[in-house]
Amino acid sequence: AQSVAQPEDQVNVAEGNPLTVKCTYSVSGNPYLFWYVQYPNRGLQFLLKYITGDNLVKGSYGFEAEFNKSQTSFHLKKPSALVSDSALYFCAVRPYSGAGSYQLTFGKGTKLSVIP
Amino acid sequence: KAGVTQTPRYLIKTRGQQVTLSCSPISGHRSVSWYQQTPGQGLQFLFEYFSETQRNKGNFPGRFSGRQFSNSRSEMNVSTLELGDSALYLCASSVQGGDGYTFGSGTRLTVV
Repeated sequence: AQSVAQPEDQVNVAEGNPLTVKCTYSVSGNPYLFWYVQYPNRGLQFLLKYITGDNLVKGSYGFEAEFNKSQTSFHLKKPSALVSDSALYFCAVRPYSGAGSYQLTFGKGTKLSVIP
Repeated sequence: KAGVTQTPRYLIKTRGQQVTLSCSPISGHRSVSWYQQTPGQGLQFLFEYFSETQRNKGNFPGRFSGRQFSNSRSEMNVSTLELGDSALYLCASSVQGGDGYTFGSGTRLTVV
């Protein structure tokens, strides 16, 4: 069975500084990896995904993530944080094929606070 | 184009009642998935439908059921509601399932 770990419940960063939100995963075979963001009382908004190809994935709103197969990690990054980036961030995984390939398994989420 | 539409946005029900939630996917999307979000358990997969067939089911009791219609719209039903069913229920649609998911804003269910 697949699993996702987001080791930090909360990340605080000053506006203008780079930010990193960590994610490690466990899955049989090749993974599909996703990052979503959730604002209060809203659904999940897609940021980016890794399916295959270049390990550095660029997504919406200036976010990017690096797939590291040997460390089974998919950390989310942004060079310069904005106050409007403050939200709850979720990493998710699904196997490329086989059992569970039609469901996303999510991490517990990381609350990002960008301090002005 | 229109996003994923979930209705109603908010719902208050009494223990023991049943409830039906609706999800209209993005036009052309044939896969619809449902997730439950609670503060304690986080986001948990309920089930996924593709072309009116349930392809995958999460670890929830039989009180939770769903279906998909020929126009890809989906409904989920929870019978004999319990206090612990209070949650945000999220629907996600995808062209075929798996490659990318667009989520709706969710239905906030409160059981009293």
